Amino acid sequence: GAVVSQHPSWVICKSGTSVKIECRSLDFQATTMFWYRQFPKQSLMLMATSNEGSKATYEQGVEKDKFLINHASLTLSTLTVTSAHPEDSSFYICSVVRDSNNEQFFGPGTRLTVL
Amino acid sequence: GDSVTQMEGPVTLSEEAFLTINCTYTATGYPSLFWYVQYPGEGLQLLLKATKADDKGSNKGFEATYRKETTSFHLEKGSVQVSDSAVYFCALRGQGAQKLVFGQGTRLTINP
Repeated sequence: GAVVSQHPSWVICKSGTSVKIECRSLDFQATTMFWYRQFPKQSLMLMATSNEGSKATYEQGVEKDKFLINHASLTLSTLTVTSAHPEDSSFYICSVVRDSNNEQFFGPGTRLTVL
Repeated sequence: GDSVTQMEGPVTLSEEAFLTINCTYTATGYPSLFWYVQYPGEGLQLLLKATKADDKGSNKGFEATYRKETTSFHLEKGSVQVSDSAVYFCALRGQGAQKLVFGQGTRLTINP
């Protein structure tokens, strides 16, 4: 069965609104989760590392005020795209890390379309 | 820094053909190596992995051998099926690290 869930699986929103994407670890508690962004026909770009109980660590070039990450529990991390614009349209994928062996499990992704 | 280079796609083959997707890496120490597969509209699934030199990962008829002397982890399958059509990503995880470094992905299409 699925190890990681994401919700919603797709969302369409108007420019200027904010969108929240949830990532849940279903099988184990995860201290660390990652958020990726994937453009069509391209590889995954790591956006940030989400650490339970502390601030997220953002990759260079990713706006932390634009992409708010909250890792409030060991099974849930959220990514909020604030004041979304059409250029934020993308496929967002999260992953969870199993602490015992650092293996990563990926969510099914969320497709965001900003009109 | 660490990096992964995959052969450029797209790759189109006929059913039952032999498949090779090349992957080379640059990393210090002893990274772990992975192949992930992404089916249309879905997230990534781990296909196989190898954690030390000369290890062979295998799953669903796919194989890859960790070659430290050539810094390679080429993906092979003897006889592909239409259902193997997907995007394949080679990735590494540095020694002691949690982050994955991905190659650019190779789109594979298998025609009946």
